[in-house]
Amino acid sequence: DSGVTQTPKHLITATGQRVTLRCSPRSGDLSVYWYQQSLDQGLQFLIQYYNGEERAKGNILERFSAQQFPDLHSELNLSSLELGDSALYFCASSVEGGLQPQHFGDGTRLSIL
Amino acid sequence: QQQVKQSPQSLIVQKGGISIINCAYENTAFDYFPWYQQFPGKGPALLIAIRPDVSEKKEGRFTISFNKSAKQFSLHIMDSQPGDSATYFCAASSGNAGGTSYGKLTFGQGTILTVHP
Repeated sequence: DSGVTQTPKHLITATGQRVTLRCSPRSGDLSVYWYQQSLDQGLQFLIQYYNGEERAKGNILERFSAQQFPDLHSELNLSSLELGDSALYFCASSVEGGLQPQHFGDGTRLSIL
Repeated sequence: QQQVKQSPQSLIVQKGGISIINCAYENTAFDYFPWYQQFPGKGPALLIAIRPDVSEKKEGRFTISFNKSAKQFSLHIMDSQPGDSATYFCAASSGNAGGTSYGKLTFGQGTILTVHP
């Protein structure tokens, strides 16, 4: 058990809808990362937050947004969903940013019908 | 510039054999190289990591070899066991806070390892 909690585990929705994925980092970790895993793109970095502030952005679509709350949990919001957004979404956390080890949750599997 | 290339895509070894997975990177700003193990239905789990100031790091049956001049690193799994059957990912990131790679992991495409009993 990595100590990183992601909910829900599975999400099935339709095109055009909006969903929110939630992540609770390990106790004491200030940095949260979001990654997308798909068969064709592999594991791709989306966005990083550190202590409530956005720190880095990767290949994140404009339809996607995230935030980190004062209690350090994070949410990833996906809107105007398309079939191609079907993927596993992972959250990872680390004590700080930089070269600290990142510990991953078990992901949310998003299926768009 | 950001790519990490991993090979082979899949690997089959017999129990007790040595599993070797290779990765190559392009971005010379990378200075942290972790390996992750992923089982079906689970998130990637950190196995072992290396910084470029050492050429080898060993933890139990897992060893990372690092060649800075060739920009390559590899994972060796000694005495491979059926329980090691999983997907393995190499990754790289940069500790340069001013760089675009700071903290974020760039992953290889993964290697599916199967260890036969």
